[in-house]
Amino acid sequence: EAEVAQSPRYKITEKSQAVAFWCDPISGHATLYWYRQILGQGPELLVQFQDESVVDDSQLPKDRFSAERLKGVDSTLKIQPAELGDSAMYLCASSLGPQRVSNYGYTFGSGTRLTVV
Amino acid sequence: GNSVTQMEGPVTLSEEAFLTINCTYTATGYPSLFWYVQYPGEGLQLLLKATKADDKGSNKGFEATYRKETTSFHLEKGSVQVSDSAVYFCALLTGANNLFFGTGTRLTVIP
Repeated sequence: EAEVAQSPRYKITEKSQAVAFWCDPISGHATLYWYRQILGQGPELLVQFQDESVVDDSQLPKDRFSAERLKGVDSTLKIQPAELGDSAMYLCASSLGPQRVSNYGYTFGSGTRLTVV
Repeated sequence: GNSVTQMEGPVTLSEEAFLTINCTYTATGYPSLFWYVQYPGEGLQLLLKATKADDKGSNKGFEATYRKETTSFHLEKGSVQVSDSAVYFCALLTGANNLFFGTGTRLTVIP
């Protein structure tokens, strides 16, 4: 069964350092999402891509977070500088496209657990 | 704006007990509704969905019915197993075609 690949699985970084996460969506999935899940809470959308274009980054803290999907396939989410409050699970998901989400939902990766110390 | 309110957990049940996890929502129009499940240390998996009023989603013995009149999508299972222990998230599809999640309900099933 096709999967959304994420790496690393775990990351510990010191505050004020830079950190990056990588996501490879399911082949053919045009829409890619990054979510942040703080322990004990539901996932919150950070950014949504349609192919290589950002369609929603209204909840992305742009002073320290950036995301790119240069060729419309894999994607990188970066935090610089990391703060203690950034400790969370970062989840990537993909879908066939905006018109297909209602019938198929998303497929999520296993996530990257970030701990900032 | 959008909101999803889930029954607060944690919920602890004995094996073979009946499960209900309540979910109500606020949104513009009639969004598609979803239940996702998250096992420890993993990402979220789609459990079931409903795309319009009165639809019933079902999977692995779980069911949920889209109730427009009460803006609800409660998750039910007739007989839970230890392997059902997980966190369950209710979600709605926003007008921007992304999923808005509730805060999750942790279920623990004891033998």
